[in-house]
Amino acid sequence: DAGVIQSPRHEVTEMGQEVTLRCKPISGHDYLFWYRQTMMRGLELLIYFNNNVPIDDSGMPEDRFSAKMPNASFSTLKIQPSEPRDSAVYFCASSLLAGGYTFGSGTRLTVV
Amino acid sequence: AQSVAQPEDQVNVAEGNPLTVKCTYSVSGNPYLFWYVQYPNRGLQFLLKYITGDNLVKGSYGFEAEFNKSQTSFHLKKPSALVSDSALYFCAVRDMRSGNTGKLIFGQGTTLQVKP
Repeated sequence: DAGVIQSPRHEVTEMGQEVTLRCKPISGHDYLFWYRQTMMRGLELLIYFNNNVPIDDSGMPEDRFSAKMPNASFSTLKIQPSEPRDSAVYFCASSLLAGGYTFGSGTRLTVV
Repeated sequence: AQSVAQPEDQVNVAEGNPLTVKCTYSVSGNPYLFWYVQYPNRGLQFLLKYITGDNLVKGSYGFEAEFNKSQTSFHLKKPSALVSDSALYFCAVRDMRSGNTGKLIFGQGTTLQVKP
């Protein structure tokens, strides 16, 4: 298995633009998580899914953020419109219930 | 409340010396505990986990962790540190509250610096 695959690896965009981050979880994993990591706030859970259904989105900072999981092999995190304070590394992770997470390599987002 | 604490922001150790990275937890019920490592510009990597059984858990890269129920601790250890062990380490506990059993709660992370 290639692990959790995230794209793009790096994204630089202008303030006000829409940004879409993508994630392909490990086949067979039934949980998918989106995290954001910054120096100031550390690792923050944004939202997670179980069997493609959003379970807890209380970490999504604002209505500008949205996430979808249309099927078991794909998820997106969208920011519209983007702001400079959204600059961070965004990680996707997947897991089975009793196991640990497998993280992707992350997307480094810079909003200028 | 379900929580994890890593009391040290940074741990410094000389190469070849033993290292300990501390973690304490607060959960209801039996804890599922994890350690992850993050190297620069990389995602978090799984090191080891405790679910049940022997209190001493062995993991990747020569790391081990000791589960201590009375002290609610799960400290990460290695007998002999390597410079290449320098990284950010996260302790985590699975949130076993109803409706949240898939979620890990992460500590704030501890930076381990191993000097030659």
